[in-house]
Amino acid sequence: GENVEQHPSTLSVQEGDSAVIKCTYSDSASNYFPWYKQELGKRPQLIIDIRSNVGEKKDQRIAVTLNKTAKHFSLHITETQPEDSAVYFCAASMRRDDKIIFGKGTRLHILP
Amino acid sequence: NAGVTQTPKFRVLKTGQSMTLLCAQDMNHEYMYWYRQDPGMGLRLIHYSVGEGTTAKGEVPDGYNVSRLKKQNFLLGLESAAPSQTSVYFCASSYVGVTTEAFFGQGTRLTVV
Repeated sequence: GENVEQHPSTLSVQEGDSAVIKCTYSDSASNYFPWYKQELGKRPQLIIDIRSNVGEKKDQRIAVTLNKTAKHFSLHITETQPEDSAVYFCAASMRRDDKIIFGKGTRLHILP
Repeated sequence: NAGVTQTPKFRVLKTGQSMTLLCAQDMNHEYMYWYRQDPGMGLRLIHYSVGEGTTAKGEVPDGYNVSRLKKQNFLLGLESAAPSQTSVYFCASSYVGVTTEAFFGQGTRLTVV
């Protein structure tokens, strides 16, 4: 089955700097790659996603890139703000498998 | 529009006791999932359902059972709770399957002593 690896497990960046979180997946048939943000004590919520027919997608300060050949995708957050502090999860899924498999998460700390 | 609602929010069980977690969604979603979240382990899929009357095993199904008798409800059962099942449980649902957004419930914090 699909396996998703996520790095780093913890990331601290100065407010205003950029943050990058990377994920790799194992099954080349995966075609949907969402990113979820989970604030402390809250439920995970989708912040951005990308499909396998697209190489990059951007939404304001957040962008996701996908390299299908290398089977990895990354989340980029620019001009980080205190409210970006949270745990971020990447995930991968494919229609034939009916499962969404998550990475282990990255705890992002934005330092003042 | 409540979205995805889990009941209860907190529970403490003694080893060997049983309980059922209820997940209800009012978005007419076909797919529903149960995940457990443990520190450093991310979200691990326990069981899932692709429609009313169907269930399937996920990554960590042992010790759990599920039922989907009605489209809007997905129940997770623990027949004989063990301390290893202490976790935060999240239910999620999605409209047309795994390649669309999943909406999560607020979570259930379960402690087995």
